[in-house]
Amino acid sequence: AQKVTQAQTEISVVEKEDVTLDCVYETRDTTYYLFWYKQPPSGELVFLIRRNSFDEQNEISGRYSWNFQKSTSSFNFTITASQVVDSAVYFCALSEPAAGNMLTFGGGTRLMVKP
Amino acid sequence: DAGVTQSPTHLIKTRGQQVTLRCSPKSGHDTVSWYQQALGQGPQFIFQYYEEEERQRGNFPDRFSGHQFPNYSSELNVNALLLGDSALYLCASRPSGRDLTGELFFGEGSRLTVL
Repeated sequence: AQKVTQAQTEISVVEKEDVTLDCVYETRDTTYYLFWYKQPPSGELVFLIRRNSFDEQNEISGRYSWNFQKSTSSFNFTITASQVVDSAVYFCALSEPAAGNMLTFGGGTRLMVKP
Repeated sequence: DAGVTQSPTHLIKTRGQQVTLRCSPKSGHDTVSWYQQALGQGPQFIFQYYEEEERQRGNFPDRFSGHQFPNYSSELNVNALLLGDSALYLCASRPSGRDLTGELFFGEGSRLTVL
């Protein structure tokens, strides 16, 4: 069965600090997809990134970067030079085509960036 | 271009009552999914509708049912409400013609409180 674990329930940093959000997943499939979503107080889940299981290349988008390591079943998310607007709950998620592509979410990490 | 819209945004019901939540998908999208997000937890998949039929279902009892209309909008119905049904209910949509593992667009949710 698929499972996503985000061990950090809450992280607090001061503005301009770098912060890494951890994500560990479990799956029996060789083909799967990993996602990160941001949930601001409004409640809407905002898509940040998707990676497939065959592409372990790390990705950088502005202040955001993602480190995908199949050997440790991890897909970690780093925010560089954090800003107050980054404060939100962040979810890691997994989907498996063999299971119908529904998203399985982790429990989320609440990030608080203080000025 | 309107995104995913949901109504009502908030509602309060008592145990045993029934509730209907509504969702209009993003323009051009014809596949709708529903997720339940309990307080402090990650969203859990309820079911997915495409071509007016339930295509996939998560681990939810039959009290949870849905419908999709010819205009692709969708309803989520919950009967015999329990206190544990209190949650944020999120609707998500995607276009069926695209890679099914791609980005899901979420609405801001309907927050249900059961007293």
